[in-house]
Amino acid sequence: GESVGLHLPTLSVQEGDNSIINCAYSNSASDYFIWYKQESGKGPQFIIDIRSNMDKRQGQRVTVLLNKTVKHLSLQIAATQPGDSAVYFCAENKHDYKLSFGAGTTVTVRA
Amino acid sequence: ETGVTQTPRHLVMGMTNKKSLKCEQHLGHNAMYWYKQSAKKPLELMFVYNFKEQTENNSVPSRFSPECPNSSHLFLHLHTLQPEDSALYLCASSQGASGEGDTQYFGPGTRLTVL
Repeated sequence: GESVGLHLPTLSVQEGDNSIINCAYSNSASDYFIWYKQESGKGPQFIIDIRSNMDKRQGQRVTVLLNKTVKHLSLQIAATQPGDSAVYFCAENKHDYKLSFGAGTTVTVRA
Repeated sequence: ETGVTQTPRHLVMGMTNKKSLKCEQHLGHNAMYWYKQSAKKPLELMFVYNFKEQTENNSVPSRFSPECPNSSHLFLHLHTLQPEDSALYLCASSQGASGEGDTQYFGPGTRLTVL
């Protein structure tokens, strides 16, 4: 079936290190992918997106990589800060307005 | 702030109560969504409105009743809920229409507890 999933439910990172959060998807028809960040008590916040005609996209301290061959998506956060502690979701879109979300990875930044 | 507001932020209700959740977006978007977020589970899409027309009802029980009077406002009317309906209810909006690569922006959610 179709699914969007994250490889690890939790990730503990030392402050200042780089973080890598992974996501696997199974629908090869998906053409648009989004990463969201959700802090405690808040709704999901858009971080970065990427379309299927791209392999990499960079934002401020974040990079999203898309490997369509193995249906893998990753989010890299450079120089992780305490404010990066949150739950991170990947979501996929398949030619319509509906997004399918993964269960999320909880990132904890150690001081 | 994402430009999507939700009220109330917290709601406690009994199973026989009737209440409504409100969502308002200030982004000029044409599509609005209700999601349910339960602990340890992915976001579940409940309803979609595109240009005020309901285009998706994801097998949601009739005790949840959406209303979209215009493109900026979305309501979720609740009645005779069950304790398992306790969750965070999120509203989102997007440009809508074509839907391709349509980024959704979320409100802060309403934390609902059904006693």
